[in-house]
Amino acid sequence: ETGVTQTPRHLVMGMTNKKSLKCEQHLGHNAMYWYKQSAKKPLELMFVYNFKEQTENNSVPSRFSPECPNSSHLFLHLHTLQPEDSALYLCASSQVTPERGYTFGSGTRLTVV
Amino acid sequence: RKEVEQDPGPFNVPEGATVAFNCTYSNSASQSFFWYRQDCRKEPKLLMSVYSSGNEDGRFTAQLNRASQYISLLIRDSKLSDSATYLCVVNTGNTPLVFGKGTRLSVIA
Repeated sequence: ETGVTQTPRHLVMGMTNKKSLKCEQHLGHNAMYWYKQSAKKPLELMFVYNFKEQTENNSVPSRFSPECPNSSHLFLHLHTLQPEDSALYLCASSQVTPERGYTFGSGTRLTVV
Repeated sequence: RKEVEQDPGPFNVPEGATVAFNCTYSNSASQSFFWYRQDCRKEPKLLMSVYSSGNEDGRFTAQLNRASQYISLLIRDSKLSDSATYLCVVNTGNTPLVFGKGTRLSVIA
């Protein structure tokens, strides 16, 4: 248990479905991040939230919609995804000035069929 | 020049060997540095933080050379369980952290 919890751990969805990924951190951090990692590829930063305000959107398609209601919770709403969106989606948290690095959740392994 | 560069490997080494990875960074104002370990299909986990010239934790030693802008990770007496991808991460002072693409290590019996 790292202090960052992601649910669900695995998700299979059709291209017309709508689903949401959830991330919750109990570390008192005030920055949260979404990353995508395709098979055997490096991490790709998607979104950054500082004090629940979005500070970075790394040219992510609009079929991915983040939501950060407070500093402890982060969601990623998914709709009309494509098979190439299948990947491991990782949430991370840190202090706004990440002097101690990030703590990652265990990720959601998403398969789009 | 990429912000953080690592040799992707793979490094294939026998058990008990000593192996070293280097990482170079482009931003001379970078403030702190980290090595993360990522197992296949798992999340990255913090292995070591590197705040000054370097530090040691058991079989692992991380060193920082600010003049040449590189960080190294040395693993002594390699174990099978050390097989993973090692990510070099740099704090430039602006979020987010900058991750290298990783160096893959395979320790062979």
